[in-house]
Amino acid sequence: EAQVTQNPRYLITVTGKKLTVTCSQNMNHEYMSWYRQDPGLGLRQIYYSMNVEVTDKGDVPEGYKVSRKEKRNFPLILESPSPNQTSLYFCASSLSGRDQPQHFGDGTRLSIL
Amino acid sequence: GQQLNQSPQSMFIQEGEDVSMNCTSSSIFNTWLWYKQDPGEGPVLLIALYKAGELTSNGRLTAQFGITRKDSFLNISASIPSDVGIYFCAGNYYYNQGGKLIFGQGTELSVKP
Repeated sequence: EAQVTQNPRYLITVTGKKLTVTCSQNMNHEYMSWYRQDPGLGLRQIYYSMNVEVTDKGDVPEGYKVSRKEKRNFPLILESPSPNQTSLYFCASSLSGRDQPQHFGDGTRLSIL
Repeated sequence: GQQLNQSPQSMFIQEGEDVSMNCTSSSIFNTWLWYKQDPGEGPVLLIALYKAGELTSNGRLTAQFGITRKDSFLNISASIPSDVGIYFCAGNYYYNQGGKLIFGQGTELSVKP
């Protein structure tokens, strides 16, 4: 089954404790992206990747890092999480960044205390 | 930067009624997408629109890509309880040899049986 898988689905942690949210897709998609969803703001792009070893900032990249060492994986790293990063996070992928609809994972709800 | 204004923010309707929601922008987009998000899940693609003026249906859903490429609407006919959820429009524009997806703020739909 074609899917985008995120882990963990839920995490409660404390300020400053490094964490990684993994994202994996099995569709051989070139383009992958991370979004955060906050009430009243819709989804905002954090980082995206056009292909392996090619990443770029989205609209809200501060406090986040990503890497794309393999085509299928695109982890999101919070080196020193802060409470304003409490949010619902979605990973998405598409065949290419142009004109191809993105497919989303089921989300990761992060709470930073 | 690009922004999408989605309206209405929420709707409370009776089962069987028709629903209409729209997105507008001051910027031009190459592709318009409509997603639905159920509680605890990621957005799921409903309809993708690729050409200005295009009118596309998916069952009881109909969406149009505005002729100016700056707007789109989604209609749902004869609503049913499982239509409940948050609907997002998204515009895709070409950026940096790829594309970028901008989301509206969402329309929360409630259907009363």
